Amino acid sequence: QTVVTQEPSFSVSPGETVTLTCGLSSGSVSTNYYPSWYQQTPGQAPRTLIYSTNSRSSGVPDRFSGSILGNKAALTITGAQADDESDYYCVLYMGSGISVFGGGTKLTVL
Amino acid sequence: QVHLEESGGGVVQPGGSLRLSCAASGFTFSNFGMHWVRQAPGKGLEWLSFKEFDESNPFYADSVKGRFTISRDNSKNMLYLQMNSLRAEDAAVYYCARRGPAVAGTWYFDYWGQGTLVTVSS
Repeated sequence: QTVVTQEPSFSVSPGETVTLTCGLSSGSVSTNYYPSWYQQTPGQAPRTLIYSTNSRSSGVPDRFSGSILGNKAALTITGAQADDESDYYCVLYMGSGISVFGGGTKLTVL
Repeated sequence: QVHLEESGGGVVQPGGSLRLSCAASGFTFSNFGMHWVRQAPGKGLEWLSFKEFDESNPFYADSVKGRFTISRDNSKNMLYLQMNSLRAEDAAVYYCARRGPAVAGTWYFDYWGQGTLVTVSS
């Protein structure tokens, strides 16, 4: 059973840069997993941020960027703002129509 | 604009069944694959199932395989999730989500509904 791993929580000060990661319990994440990232605030539906590793979804500010860092997918927020305080989820495509979510990272901006 | 609206949630007893619906509008439904995703209270998101735009076979997470069935009616712009043998751990908000355009090298959810709540309790 493949597990997609994310930091459970992260804290960043306003204006600073933070990088959240998305890994695999076994193996390395590559672009072939088509990593995507989603933001969710309590009580709301998820919002699509990044797809195909580093493509920003429509309307997403350019302070959000995606990449592969080492053996993980990464979401970088450059110049964090108060309203970036949310849960962030990555998704990896495992092939054969199967998607797997990471456990999510709760980002605190303070 | 793209709009997805789930319905059909409610309270069901363990072992019971429920059918969720997702009404799609603002795009050509028959051109897009569709997913179901859920979120248990206080927990993370969990992908459940995917149905391509055509008659190809659907896909399921192991947690629901054999109990849940995804289907769609392209003539009505509707996506469905038939849930049988429901368990306490199936209690969650259920979202439908559109697959992003089927361009080579992409696989993601580009639009989401607001979700419908399923409670499993005796």
